[in-house]
Parts: sequence; C-alpha cells; structure tokens
Amino acid sequence: GNSVTQMEGPVTLSEEAFLTINCTYTATGYPSLFWYVQYPGEGLQLLLKATKADDKGSNKGFEATYRKETTSFHLEKGSVQVSDSAVYFCALTPLGGSNYKLTFGKGTLLTVNP
Amino acid sequence: EAGVAQSPRYKIIEKRQSVAFWCNPISGHATLYWYQQILGQGPKLLIQFQNNGVVDDSQLPKDRFSAERLKGVDSTLKIQPAKLEDSAVYLCASSLDVSRVEAFFGQGTRLTVV
Repeated sequence: GNSVTQMEGPVTLSEEAFLTINCTYTATGYPSLFWYVQYPGEGLQLLLKATKADDKGSNKGFEATYRKETTSFHLEKGSVQVSDSAVYFCALTPLGGSNYKLTFGKGTLLTVNP
Repeated sequence: EAGVAQSPRYKIIEKRQSVAFWCNPISGHATLYWYQQILGQGPKLLIQFQNNGVVDDSQLPKDRFSAERLKGVDSTLKIQPAKLEDSAVYLCASSLDVSRVEAFFGQGTRLTVV
C-alpha cells in the first residue's frame, strides 16, 4: 500500500537558520506529492506540490523536489522565520485511479525561536 | 471565497455517548472528505463523497461511525457509541471534483471522549 515517512520531530531552529524536513514515500506508480502546513489553531493548508519526477514545488520560500530515484520529497527553506512555526505534513495521492485521496505522514513540528 | 466550515470546534463527551459533526464545503465543490487526526499522527481518510454518493469508505469503522451527504452539499459525521480511542480531531475537506487533487481543509472539530 501507499505510505509516507517523515523525519521525527520536533525540530527547533533559530531565526534565519536553514531548514530541511525529510520525507520518503512508498507507492505504486508515480504519485503526486504534497507538503501541507498546519499553523496553530488553523486547518491544514497546501504549501506546495509536485506531480511528476524532477518537478520542484515552491511557495513562500519553501522548496521540495520530487526525486523518483530516491522516492523522496524533502522540504527545504534557506532562512526560516518565527512565523514558519507550525506542523508540516508530507502527503501523496496516487495517479491513474478515479479516486484521489491523500495519504499523510505523521507530521513534523517546527518551532523557530527569535 | 468562504472556506470549509465545520462545527462545533470542540466537543467533550463521555464514552458510549453519541456525537455528530457538521461540515459545509466550499461552494461548488463536488468532492467532500472526512479525515481523522489522532494526536501525533497524520490525518487518515475515513470517507470520501462525490456529490451525494460514497466513493471510498474502506477505513470507516462502520459499526459505530456513519456519514451522510444527502443533498450533495453539507455533510454530517456521527459516532455512536463513542469510545475513548475516538478522541481526535475530525477534519473535513473539499475539492472541485475527484480528479482535482488539491483539497481545502476546515479547521476541524476536536473531540475528547472521557
């Protein structure tokens, strides 16, 4: 079946530090890959996505590249801000079927200190 | 554009009681999802509707959980009777249709069963 594995949290960084949150997946075929973010007290929001190998998704300074050879979709940001403190979820949905449903990782809590 | 609305935001009940959650998706969105997010885990799909029909309910514990979307718009999720392990955040999401991968999430209902 499909599954997503994220690095264990929590992750605590100082402002302007470099961020990497690792994500690897198991899926049949070529899934679409996503990063969702959940800010305190809010619902899940789509942060970025990639739908095919070597695609790079980017948004708000965050980037992730779809690596088919390593089945990975690591999230990176060059300089984090306090406002980036949130829980980050890696997710996938399989392509080719008639039913697109998301399979999520367990989430990684990021805390950025000033 | 209004987002996905859910109510209530919080609910505390005793085990063996019943509870219902309500979701109003984004206007025009044909596909509606209910996810269960247990603390420390990623969201897990419970049920997916396309208009008023069920597309996938393979992970819905049907002995105690039920969901409906009678007019293809609003949806309710019910638990009867509740167990302690049902304590979780219940998330509703919607998308334009089943082939549109981007789903928009509500803020969720936090259920505590004591």
